[in-house]
Amino acid sequence: EAGVVQSPRYKIIEKKQPVAFWCNPISGHNTLYWYRQNLGQGPELLIRYENEEAVDDSQLPKDRFSAERLKGVDSTLKIQPAELGDSAVYLCASSPGTYTEAFFGQGTRLTVV
Amino acid sequence: GDSVTQMEGPVTLSEEAFLTINCTYTATGYPSLFWYVQYPGEGLQLLLKATKADDKGSNKGFEATYRKETTSFHLEKGSVQVSDSAVYFCALSDREGYSTLTFGKGTMLLVSP
Repeated sequence: EAGVVQSPRYKIIEKKQPVAFWCNPISGHNTLYWYRQNLGQGPELLIRYENEEAVDDSQLPKDRFSAERLKGVDSTLKIQPAELGDSAVYLCASSPGTYTEAFFGQGTRLTVV
Repeated sequence: GDSVTQMEGPVTLSEEAFLTINCTYTATGYPSLFWYVQYPGEGLQLLLKATKADDKGSNKGFEATYRKETTSFHLEKGSVQVSDSAVYFCALSDREGYSTLTFGKGTMLLVSP
């Protein structure tokens, strides 16, 4: 069974440009997460979806970040405009539901120059 | 809020040495505890977990025991291998039971032949 798939793996953009990341979770997993991992730090939650509903977006910087999960499957995370401080690895994860393990994708490494 | 503190790295060991990576947590209620591992160039993988006090999680020779009295979940392995070189993250899940994770900063392990 395929794991969590993210694309692109790497992205380099200039500041003030937009960027988007895509995530395809494991089939049948209702819960989807986006985390951001800064260099030398652990991942931090940006947003959690239950099916297509964003149930926890308290840590998402809504002035420049947006996310969607159409039809409760794939998800896209967007940054517009990007800032130098957004350079990080963006991780997507999914899980079947409550009290279960979260499975992570390989992440997208974003560099803003 | 919830938090996880792990020992700083890098931890440098020779092959077959004993490994301990300390992890303590702060949380309300009774969280589940996890160790994730991140090999170079790969995504986060669950190494082991424990869902209640005194539980011992184990996998691939690694062990950790959920100690509520000391709020700790230290990772141990009796004999490390070069292939164990990676970054190890201690994490806890929230009280609601969803897999939203709070991570420590990670500890890099380097094992030399």
